[in-house]
Amino acid sequence: DTAVSQTPKYLVTQMGNDKSIKCEQNLGHDTMYWYKQDSKKFLKIMFSYNNKELIINETVPNRFSPKSPDKAHLNLHINSLELGDSAVYFCASRTTGTGYGYTFGSGTRLTVV
Amino acid sequence: QKEVEQNSGPLSVPEGAIASLNCTYSDRGSQSFFWYRQYSGKSPELIMSIYSNGDKEDGRFTAQLNKASQYVSLLIRDSQPSDSATYLCAVNENFGNEKLTFGTGTRLTIIP
Repeated sequence: DTAVSQTPKYLVTQMGNDKSIKCEQNLGHDTMYWYKQDSKKFLKIMFSYNNKELIINETVPNRFSPKSPDKAHLNLHINSLELGDSAVYFCASRTTGTGYGYTFGSGTRLTVV
Repeated sequence: QKEVEQNSGPLSVPEGAIASLNCTYSDRGSQSFFWYRQYSGKSPELIMSIYSNGDKEDGRFTAQLNKASQYVSLLIRDSQPSDSATYLCAVNENFGNEKLTFGTGTRLTIIP
């Protein structure tokens, strides 16, 4: 199946821990994103990579570090997790260029306790 | 601060009626506009895109764009219970900007 796949789907962890979320797309897209969706459903961009190069880095705590080993993969590592990091994190991809919508992954629901 | 605004709802519409969802945006240079549907617990799904002023129809869905008024809307004809979801408006700003800015979404409920 052609898709954007994220793992894990659910992540429950204690404050202070470090965790990673992985994303892979087999759509041949050049650009990948991480978005955070809060409890009010607001989707806010965090990072974007184009062909392994960081192109968007919004105001995000430096505890969050993205990494793109190749254009089909974009991972997100989070250090020293805090309660406020609890949210759904979506990976997305699209073909480069204005006018193309995103294809989203299924999301990772992160709960920090 | 570039913004995309939607009425958060909830919007309740009887089955078979027309549901009308509205979105305004602040950046006059915006070029591309998208509507996503998100079911509870699921990821957003692209349902419509529009780039030029006027209407664009796809099945029961019609997107309308008015760049002069900085307004984009989505009409759903013959609403079905399966249309109950949150609808997200997204705007791609100037050419060369790879970022989509999302509205806060409108929760739509179709009443059987």
